[in-house]
Amino acid sequence: GQNIDQPTEMTATEGAIVQINCTYQTSGFNGLFWYQQHAGEAPTFLSYNVLDGLEEKGRFSSFLSRSKGYSYLLLKELQMKDSASYLCAGMDSNYQLIWGAGTKLIIKP
Amino acid sequence: AAGVIQSPRHLIKEKRETATLKCYPIPRHDTVYWYQQGPGQDPQFLISFYEKMQSDKGSIPDRFSAQQFSDYHSELNMSSLELGDSALYFCASSLGARGGGDADTQYFGPGTRLTVL
Repeated sequence: GQNIDQPTEMTATEGAIVQINCTYQTSGFNGLFWYQQHAGEAPTFLSYNVLDGLEEKGRFSSFLSRSKGYSYLLLKELQMKDSASYLCAGMDSNYQLIWGAGTKLIIKP
Repeated sequence: AAGVIQSPRHLIKEKRETATLKCYPIPRHDTVYWYQQGPGQDPQFLISFYEKMQSDKGSIPDRFSAQQFSDYHSELNMSSLELGDSALYFCASSLGARGGGDADTQYFGPGTRLTVL
C-alpha cells in the first residue's frame, strides 16, 4: 500500500533550526513535495525533490533519499510565523499526491 | 502572480440541499484537482480533470459530481448534503504535464468553507 509517515507535532524555539522527517512508500515515484498550511488556510507549496540530495530555498531546505524512502524539511532561523502544519506528500506513478497527516510545528519565543 | 480562484469562500447549507463550488485555475494550467479537508486532517483527494476530461477519481461520494469547462474552470456539484460534508474544499491546479518535475506541482486555491446545518 501507499503510506506517508511524519511526526504529529514538534516544538522549537524562535531563531533555532528544526528538521521535520518524512518516510514514504508509494506505487512508483514522481517526486516528494512539502507544503505549509496555516490553520483554516490553503496548503502553500514549499519544495519539490525528485533526485537525491538537498534543495535549498532561503530559510527552507528539503532533502531526499530515494533508496531510503526518506525526506526531511529543514527550517532555519525560525520565526513565529513559521508556526503551521507541514505536509509531506509523495507523487505516485499516476501523478497523484499521497499525503501525510501533517506535522504541527509550534514555535515558542 | 495570478493564483487559483475559488468561489464562494464560505457557504452555509441545510441538510439535503445542493451546493455548487467553482474553481478558476492559474492561467495556462490545464489540470484541476478537488480536495476535501476536515479539521485536523490531511487533504482527501476527490477528483481531477485534465484538458476537460476526468483524469483520476478518489474518494468522491456518488452524490457529488464535477466537470471542467472549455475555459478550464471547474465546478463541484454536491447534492443531498449531509452534516459530514461540512469541511474545507480546496481546488488546486497544475500545468499537468505528467512528465515529472515542477510542471506537476499543485497550487492550491484559498478554499471554500462549507457548513451543513
